[in-house]
Amino acid sequence: QQQVKQSPQSLIVQKGGISIINCAYENTAFDYFPWYQQFPGKGPALLIAIRPDVSEKKEGRFTISFNKSAKQFSLHIMDSQPGDSATYFCAASRDTDKLIFGTGTRLQVFP
Amino acid sequence: NAGVTQTPKFRILKIGQSMTLQCTQDMNHNYMYWYRQDPGMGLKLIYYSVGAGITDKGEVPNGYNVSRSTTEDFPLRLELAAPSQTSVYFCASSYGRVNTGELFFGEGSRLTVL
Repeated sequence: QQQVKQSPQSLIVQKGGISIINCAYENTAFDYFPWYQQFPGKGPALLIAIRPDVSEKKEGRFTISFNKSAKQFSLHIMDSQPGDSATYFCAASRDTDKLIFGTGTRLQVFP
Repeated sequence: NAGVTQTPKFRILKIGQSMTLQCTQDMNHNYMYWYRQDPGMGLKLIYYSVGAGITDKGEVPNGYNVSRSTTEDFPLRLELAAPSQTSVYFCASSYGRVNTGELFFGEGSRLTVL
């Protein structure tokens, strides 16, 4: 019940295309859903986050869509660029001190 | 502003050896965490601390120990290293609870146990 399932494991997108990464969770007590971006040799960094009281949050080319009834949330990267090539992690937390991460998606954007 | 600093960046250990991964942050954050990252497995929480003198186990604490004597430092101790502890270790910190804001990560420490 503490797991966050992420798919796909890897994703190849052409420059200008849309990248979509999906996550699903079981614990309905989760109340915070961030996405982290990690470049090779670096630590993860917060990209965007959402709470379950909204269905969508957009920051520039990055959008989180949240479906509370389906217990799913997804990251959409519009107009994908080679500089977006990185590993993306979804995560979830409730009012505790633990952030549960998904298994990660390696995104490669080709010019 | 250095953020979260981890040392060493790389280390090779022999089975049975011990070592300490160092982590320090200069953001006056109360919360600190140790994660390990394995290919295809994501990030798993090893130990965390909500303030000086307070530590608690995460998802995968076996084979590790931590201490938090100051706000700034959160070292991770590996006793009797095993090949299963080969991984990339990340230290992170946050001002408050994880569901109130951002975790700031260090650049990682790559450990190989042979």
